[in-house]
Amino acid sequence: DIQMTQSPSSLSASVGDRVSITCRASQNINNYLNWYQQKPGKAPKLLIYAASTLQSGVPSRFSGSGSGTDFTLTISGLQPEDFATYYCQQSDTNLYTFGQGTKLEIK
Amino acid sequence: QVQLQESGPGLVKPSETLSLSCAVSGGSISGYYWSWIRQTPGKRLEWIAYISYNGNTNSNPSLGSRLTISIDTSRAQFSLRLRSVTTADTAVYYCARTTRLYWYFDVWGRGALVTVSS
Repeated sequence: DIQMTQSPSSLSASVGDRVSITCRASQNINNYLNWYQQKPGKAPKLLIYAASTLQSGVPSRFSGSGSGTDFTLTISGLQPEDFATYYCQQSDTNLYTFGQGTKLEIK
Repeated sequence: QVQLQESGPGLVKPSETLSLSCAVSGGSISGYYWSWIRQTPGKRLEWIAYISYNGNTNSNPSLGSRLTISIDTSRAQFSLRLRSVTTADTAVYYCARTTRLYWYFDVWGRGALVTVSS
């Protein structure tokens, strides 16, 4: 299985800040990397697919980058509704795996 | 737009079978792939399996032969059966639409909590 490791596991930030979350794959996954946002009691929501393509309807303050084994989700200008848990997911192989999640909290 | 809704028992006894269904509404079940994903009490997400509109399947080997996934396009729903459950199968189970090429999950159900306990 491809292991996905996110860092940090938790992060405190303020409204208006720019934050980045890193996801590292245990082997090359090209650009088969997707990002999700999850709020308490809700299902995950797709933000970005193919490492850098913004899902329709997702605000442009979200962006993704990376290829190979290292990927980054950046949120520019945090809004109150962005405080949530974020997950990466690889789809390079037929066994799709997720990172352990990064909880973004208000400072 | 497309909506998904899971249904099934919220409590299953150890060694018995967990059965869930996912109803697809507001859009076609045809032409897409459909997945089951679960989230453990520790918040870890685990992909379980997918099935295509024409019955192709792929599943997580960690669940071995315990798993059956099926689809009924006439009723616009797909189903999951997990046999011989243990407490480790306690989770929130989500159904999700799965888009080919980059295999991402772009529409999710609200989730169904299934507790395995005697």
